[in-house]
Amino acid sequence: QSALTQPPSASGSPGQSVTISCTGTSSDVGGYKYVSWYQQHPGKAPKVMIYEVSQRPSGVPDRFSGSKSGNTASLTVSGLQAEDEADYYCSSYAGNNNYVFGTGTKVTVL
Amino acid sequence: EVQLVESGGGLVQPGGSLRLSCAASGFTFSSTNYWMHWVRQAPGKGLVWVSRINSDGSRTDYADSVKGRFTISRDNAKNTLYLQMNSLRAEDTAVYYCTRDFDAGSGFWGQGTLITVSS
Repeated sequence: QSALTQPPSASGSPGQSVTISCTGTSSDVGGYKYVSWYQQHPGKAPKVMIYEVSQRPSGVPDRFSGSKSGNTASLTVSGLQAEDEADYYCSSYAGNNNYVFGTGTKVTVL
Repeated sequence: EVQLVESGGGLVQPGGSLRLSCAASGFTFSSTNYWMHWVRQAPGKGLVWVSRINSDGSRTDYADSVKGRFTISRDNAKNTLYLQMNSLRAEDTAVYYCTRDFDAGSGFWGQGTLITVSS
């Protein structure tokens, strides 16, 4: 199972928006609604920010939003804040009782 | 407060074995609502799903890379999740995270434990 493809980096100024893509295939991202996004600060455990493509867990700011079109999912962070600087990973159920993660994107707040 | 605390990490030689534990608290560990998973992250690399187990332990699944070498299990009486790792390889070196429903709204991750496979 190959990792989902994410851009290595993305950046934006405070207050701006940044969108991260997550490209898979019809066997994973395109085939299921189980796409999630995670935020990971250095040395810390990941935290789920979006689940089931566009759902936000309790406590996650509404500045974070998710969507999907075909085999590509996207995470948008609006109104960038300094604390949003982190690594972001996507994941998808991949069928056959298997899961796959994305390659990860480092978001920098300029 | 939900807590997942991993232990059992350390340095092990190639071909060796190690058992990780994950002590859960702050929620009903045996609830049918939750699957438990192990996810790993090699140093400086991305996340990789390893294994999962359902609430009563009757259902387990593994990534191809660990199938036949790793065994996931749980003791609901002790609120503890385990990962028995055998025939360890250098490429198994990683931080191993214990997670509850890692990809769901109820998802929660432990802080991880580092496994280093080296001679």
